Amino acid sequence: DAGVIQSPRHEVTEMGQEVTLRCKPISGHNSLFWYRQTMMRGLELLIYFNNNVPIDDSGMPEDRFSAKMPNASFSTLKIQPSEPRDSAVYFCASSLTIRGHYGYTFGSGTRLTVV
Amino acid sequence: KQEVTQIPAALSVPEGENLVLNCSFTDSAIYNLQWFRQDPGKGLTSLLLIQSSQREQTSGRLNASLDKSSGRSTLYIAASQPGDSATYLCAVNRPGTYKYIFGTGTRLKVLA
Repeated sequence: DAGVIQSPRHEVTEMGQEVTLRCKPISGHNSLFWYRQTMMRGLELLIYFNNNVPIDDSGMPEDRFSAKMPNASFSTLKIQPSEPRDSAVYFCASSLTIRGHYGYTFGSGTRLTVV
Repeated sequence: KQEVTQIPAALSVPEGENLVLNCSFTDSAIYNLQWFRQDPGKGLTSLLLIQSSQREQTSGRLNASLDKSSGRSTLYIAASQPGDSATYLCAVNRPGTYKYIFGTGTRLKVLA
């Protein structure tokens, strides 16, 4: 298995532009998570999906952020419009939840820089 | 509100030393505790997962213990090697939730 695959690895964009981050979870995993990591705040959960349905989006900073999971093998996190304070590393993680054993596998992350 | 603290924030040791990383959490009602490793510019790799009913888990030179009542976990690394240099994070979740709360990590450097 290739693991959790994220693209792009790096993204540099100008303030106000739309940014789309992509994630392919491990085949067979039924939960997907988007995290953001910054020096100041560490790792923060933005949203998680279970069986393609958003369960908890309370960590999404504001309306500029949206996430979708149209099928079990693909998810996107979109920021529109982007702002410099959105600069961070965005991680996607997936897990197979059986009787509550929520172990994660993380992707390599997307480093976003908004200038 | 669950808070996870890791001390020390950074640690430098000579190769071959046995070392202990600490993780403490404020709410003892946890379901799982995971230890992760993060290399610079990379994602997180899960090292060990301890379920709330367990006291410890071992993998190779790594041993993680859990004391729920005191809100603490330790990660023991035996015979440290330069390849162990990385940031180590612990994370906990509550029963019935998928959401892990992460500590801020301990940055470990093992000197050759």
